[in-house]
Amino acid sequence: QKEVEQDPGPLSVPEGAIVSLNCTYSNSAFQYFMWYRQYSRKGPELLMYTYSSGNKEDGRFTAQVDKSSKYISLFIRDSQPSDSATYLCASRYNNNDMRFGAGTRLTVKP
Amino acid sequence: DAGVIQSPRHEVTEMGQEVTLRCKPISGHDYLFWYRQTMMRGLELLIYFNNNVPIDDSGMPEDRFSAKMPNASFSTLKIQPSEPRDSAVYFCASRLNTEAFFGQGTRLTVV
Repeated sequence: QKEVEQDPGPLSVPEGAIVSLNCTYSNSAFQYFMWYRQYSRKGPELLMYTYSSGNKEDGRFTAQVDKSSKYISLFIRDSQPSDSATYLCASRYNNNDMRFGAGTRLTVKP
Repeated sequence: DAGVIQSPRHEVTEMGQEVTLRCKPISGHDYLFWYRQTMMRGLELLIYFNNNVPIDDSGMPEDRFSAKMPNASFSTLKIQPSEPRDSAVYFCASRLNTEAFFGQGTRLTVV
């Protein structure tokens, strides 16, 4: 079993929809939680970063972490075609390496 | 800063040949990571360094793979001999404190 599990999708939504992306993790020591966005043939780019439980909002993006259920979420409001990409969740503890989910491929249709 | 720089961007080589991938991390970053990405296995950590010292190489698939970081501004990942199953996109990432930044990757094809 991978330490971070993520449904690879694909997920297709109409423009303007609210998108919900989710991951679960098994290592209770994880303290840092990240969401990366990866466009086709590009490297992953950091989208959101949170420490421990709680919510973090940045524009149309909201990241949530629930450590009690080991659940990580990313919400995208008013989704745009430019949001079409693969979204990867990742977790780590202390200064160790990140563990990535499989990535969810999202398509936002005009 | 120009970000994490990887070279070459694309590499096509024949089975059995030696392949060397290169990475220049962001200046001042003290962690460097090498990842491999495939459709089947996603993003896998191969090895990472802290202050030029290898910390964990348990992800290196075989002895054919080796990585070095001779100084804070340069790292290499070498595959010798290469095999078709090594075909993948190899990413280098660097980190200072919290956020890790990825390079654009090297797309390796072994025929």
